Amino acid sequence: DTEVTQTPKHLVMGMTNKKSLKCEQHMGHRAMYWYKQKAKKPPELMFVYSYEKLSINESVPSRFSPECPNSSLLNLHLHALQPEDSALYLCASSLGAGGSYEQYFGPGTRLTVT
Amino acid sequence: AQTVTQSQPEMSVQEAETVTLSCTYDTSESNYYLFWYKQPPSRQMILVIRQEAYKQQNATENRFSVNFQKAAKSFSLKISDSQLGDTAMYFCAFGRYGGSQGNLIFGKGTKLSVKP
Repeated sequence: DTEVTQTPKHLVMGMTNKKSLKCEQHMGHRAMYWYKQKAKKPPELMFVYSYEKLSINESVPSRFSPECPNSSLLNLHLHALQPEDSALYLCASSLGAGGSYEQYFGPGTRLTVT
Repeated sequence: AQTVTQSQPEMSVQEAETVTLSCTYDTSESNYYLFWYKQPPSRQMILVIRQEAYKQQNATENRFSVNFQKAAKSFSLKISDSQLGDTAMYFCAFGRYGGSQGNLIFGKGTKLSVKP
């Protein structure tokens, strides 16, 4: 199984809502990532988890809160988002957290903030 | 800090022809990894090819091959016998060797259209 799954596929939320994005992999990967991608742009790294511990936070606003309950699951909790946070949110995983490893990407959650 | 530059925002090619996408990068490190990722329209990003900097031999994967010039810091992707399914955004990415910093440095991407 070489798949990273993400739910939901689409999400529309108001600026006062609280929602969560979910990502799952069963490849035994020990590193998991959240990226934000705007249209026609490369993915921008948000967070990296290595062995279930947060190892990189790329100065992401606190309205985004990541969580890694176990080695297969990664959540991104959203609260009080702004319209400019509308984007495709990609999850990825890799065997390890070093830069040599191939990252496997999920299909993404397309988020619209109204 | 590492940077990755893709100088061709958009390219097009006729089906069955060959196309080359360019990528240059800047780093002071001697060991590193380079990747080409493909993101088809509304589909997920997948790895096309991976190159280890300390290997002189250019990586190949079926119709995809790279021209890795370490001294020139150049890493171009050649797609032979282009197919309609090759239509996608292509991102060149740099990965640091070792450590726990798994973040990739992506270029801005090249949008490739394969025309019938």
